[in-house]
Amino acid sequence: QSALTQEVSVSGTVGQKVTLSCTGNSYNIGSYAVGWYQQISHGAPKIVMFGDSLPSGIPDRFSGSKSGTTASLTISGLQPEDEADYYCSSWDYRLSALIFGGGTKLTVL
Amino acid sequence: QVQLAESGGGVVQPGRSLRLSCAASGFIFNTYGMHWVRQAPGKGLEWVAFIWYDGSYKNYANSVKGRFTISRDNSKNTLYLQMSSLSVEDTAVYYCARWGKNGYELDYWGQGTLVTVSS
Repeated sequence: QSALTQEVSVSGTVGQKVTLSCTGNSYNIGSYAVGWYQQISHGAPKIVMFGDSLPSGIPDRFSGSKSGTTASLTISGLQPEDEADYYCSSWDYRLSALIFGGGTKLTVL
Repeated sequence: QVQLAESGGGVVQPGRSLRLSCAASGFIFNTYGMHWVRQAPGKGLEWVAFIWYDGSYKNYANSVKGRFTISRDNSKNTLYLQMSSLSVEDTAVYYCARWGKNGYELDYWGQGTLVTVSS
């Protein structure tokens, strides 16, 4: 199955605002809410955003949005503990599959 | 609290079979769909399969269709993944994840179990 397209790497300094993007098409992001998952040091992934809804326990410096077939995860006020790999995900009704982006490595400088 | 604990991983030869288990606790298991997701070494996440809350519907990634079978035993709060005809490309950490109630989100994940396919 095809993957969604994410930046390979993004970096920012503590306190900065960063935005990660995830691009798909009308069969996936254009039709379904997007999930964002944080994976720290190859540990278990953890959901940090679904659509524009913040899961319980996730700091409100995380926010999500979507425009057409591109979704975004914004971290306002970057913290050292935000350094991780971030994956986006969406259902694709043409593929009848849950698909993931290739992941973005977020580095906090 | 929600807990998912995978087991059953290990080293297996190409062409052989292996069954993974995922023990669930902290929630009403028989009201949630479940997924398996894998991650090959140094690679990204790849969805493998899902099963509805009652086991009545299942779906698979093309890469595993016909070789893997997802199932569940709601009396034991356990999810399974039966893997057969394994190849080196199946080498990965396998995660079970709970299907949330708002759409296609995976709201809780286990710690994963490593499957290594090697001769």
